[in-house]
Amino acid sequence: SQTIHQWPATLVQPVGSPLSLECTVEGTSNPNLYWYRQAAGRGLQLLFYSVGIGQISSEVPQNLSASRPQDRQFILSSKKLLLSDSGFYLCAWSRDSTQPQHFGDGTRLSIL
Amino acid sequence: GESVGLHLPTLSVQEGDNSIINCAYSNSASDYFIWYKQESGKGPQFIIDIRSNMDKRQGQRVTVLLNKTVKHLSLQIAATQPGDSAVYFCAENPGNQFYFGTGTSLTVIP
Repeated sequence: SQTIHQWPATLVQPVGSPLSLECTVEGTSNPNLYWYRQAAGRGLQLLFYSVGIGQISSEVPQNLSASRPQDRQFILSSKKLLLSDSGFYLCAWSRDSTQPQHFGDGTRLSIL
Repeated sequence: GESVGLHLPTLSVQEGDNSIINCAYSNSASDYFIWYKQESGKGPQFIIDIRSNMDKRQGQRVTVLLNKTVKHLSLQIAATQPGDSAVYFCAENPGNQFYFGTGTSLTVIP
């Protein structure tokens, strides 16, 4: 069966510091991968998605970037965090864009 | 962007009663829908899905109804249990991307 792992579960970072959140998927190959941000009382906001190694599409302009160095690894990064980057970040995978997305348990990011 | 919303932000039900959670979607081109359950501090969990060629689909204790005429989706949970307490939200897909609703918080009263 397929599993998705995100870490860390929680993270507290100072403003201006770098960020690296990692997501890995097991039990499937060539998945679509997604990064979302979930704000309280709002729907999931798609940040990035990837259909293959090195292929990244960005949905919204922002202070964040994503990379996919391996087939089942998706990384969310920032060189300098802003206060507005605080939030709950979710990684997801799917077989393709028309199939269900399956989510990790998220990272709660707090910027001080 | 897409507009996917829920009629009620919160819902409280007695344990053992049935729950109905509603969702309105705006894109008539959407042909695939999913209901997710999200417990506090966790990621969304797939519950049930339905494609536009169906108007009803049943799972274990859950039923999804789709009314394409009024662009409405509902999730029915039978014999609601305390473990069903969570935020439930719908997602629609018009072909290439999912758009997610804001969610309804379901509280089950023992």
